[in-house]
Amino acid sequence: EDKVVQSPLSLVVHEGDTVTLNCSYEVTNFRSLLWYKQEKKAPTFLFMLTSSGIEKKSGRLSSILDKKELFSILNITATQTGDSAVYLCAGQIQGAQKLVFGQGTRLTINP
Amino acid sequence: DVKVTQSSRYLVKRTGEKVFLECVQDMDHENMFWYRQDPGLGLRLIYFSYDVKMKEKGDIPEGYSVSREKKERFSLILESASTNQTSMYLCASGEGSDTQYFGPGTRLTVL
Repeated sequence: EDKVVQSPLSLVVHEGDTVTLNCSYEVTNFRSLLWYKQEKKAPTFLFMLTSSGIEKKSGRLSSILDKKELFSILNITATQTGDSAVYLCAGQIQGAQKLVFGQGTRLTINP
Repeated sequence: DVKVTQSSRYLVKRTGEKVFLECVQDMDHENMFWYRQDPGLGLRLIYFSYDVKMKEKGDIPEGYSVSREKKERFSLILESASTNQTSMYLCASGEGSDTQYFGPGTRLTVL
């Protein structure tokens, strides 16, 4: 059975801290790993990672995939209160658009 | 910008009622998906569709059915709502190996 596991499930830090969110996966016919940010409503897309070892960056957010060890991390540096959200990772199956989601990490940034 | 809309943000129904949740996308995407999101469980796939009049079961289809009569519209039907179907329902659409784009969600409460 395909499975994606995120850790920690919940994290509370102070503004300005750096955080690392983890995602491990066991997905048959794995194609790519996706990260989403979910505030009060729709998840919004952050990154899609297909190749191992290549970091993707967007401002203070970055992510990398390790296809040998079957995990990905999402880093957020100099956190701000607006980064408070649930962060979701999902494994995409080859040849289809079907996604398998992890439980999500609820990140809270305190001022 | 991709736009995915859902018919209601909040819905309250009684046990045994028939419930329709509608989703419309404006990007001519082939693929559409229905998920439910529950605390600690992440997003779980209920049904998906790769084409008009085509549907496939996801991981938790029991108690649900779907309809896709037009490319832009994908409906989720609860034939006889039960209290364990109280949840956040998210619709998504996408194409090829691209990311999925999510609607704002419908929070359904079944009393």
